[in-house]
Amino acid sequence: AQTVTQSQPEMSVQEAETVTLSCTYDTSESDYYLFWYKQPPSRQMILVIRQEAYKQQNATENRFSVNFQKAAKSFSLKISDSQLGDAAMYFCAYRNDYKLSFGAGTTVTVRA
Amino acid sequence: EPEVTQTPSHQVTQMGQEVILRCVPISNHLYFYWYRQILGQKVEFLVSFYNNEISEKSEIFDDQFSVERPDGSNFTLKIRSTKLEDSAMYFCASSEGGVGYNEQFFGPGTRLTVL
Repeated sequence: AQTVTQSQPEMSVQEAETVTLSCTYDTSESDYYLFWYKQPPSRQMILVIRQEAYKQQNATENRFSVNFQKAAKSFSLKISDSQLGDAAMYFCAYRNDYKLSFGAGTTVTVRA
Repeated sequence: EPEVTQTPSHQVTQMGQEVILRCVPISNHLYFYWYRQILGQKVEFLVSFYNNEISEKSEIFDDQFSVERPDGSNFTLKIRSTKLEDSAMYFCASSEGGVGYNEQFFGPGTRLTVL
């Protein structure tokens, strides 16, 4: 079974600064997909960014980027120029079949 | 923008009762999922559903659970005889395609409380 580990329960960042959320996973597969989902308070989870394991280039979506290290099984998320609206729970997820396997989540607070 | 919707937002039931949680996936999506999150724990996969069949299920999804797409729009999760440990947030999701890169779109969840 695949396991996803997020070792930071909480992170705090000053508005306009950068924060990096860590995620590691365990798998014996070579072909899989990785995702970061954001869940604002009392709102549904929305996809932030995704990465295909066979692509070496790190994915980027506006202020969000990942550092994908396949050999280390690491998939961190960097939020640049943090905004108040970035405050949420962030989940890292792994997929190689139908299901998503989630990490425990990291709560990000943004200080004005 | 199309969204996955779930009803009710909060359901309270007595142990041993049957509950049905309802979801309306995004209309052109073909794959449907249920996940749950017990308070303080990870979001866990329960089941995926495609072409009126279960395509994958977890060990959590035992005989007490069933899923159905009773019409062209709803997707339901039934728990036949609820236990205290079934108390959790239940999330429905849907996607256009199945495996791999396809984004799963999540609903806001139903909080189930079993007394």
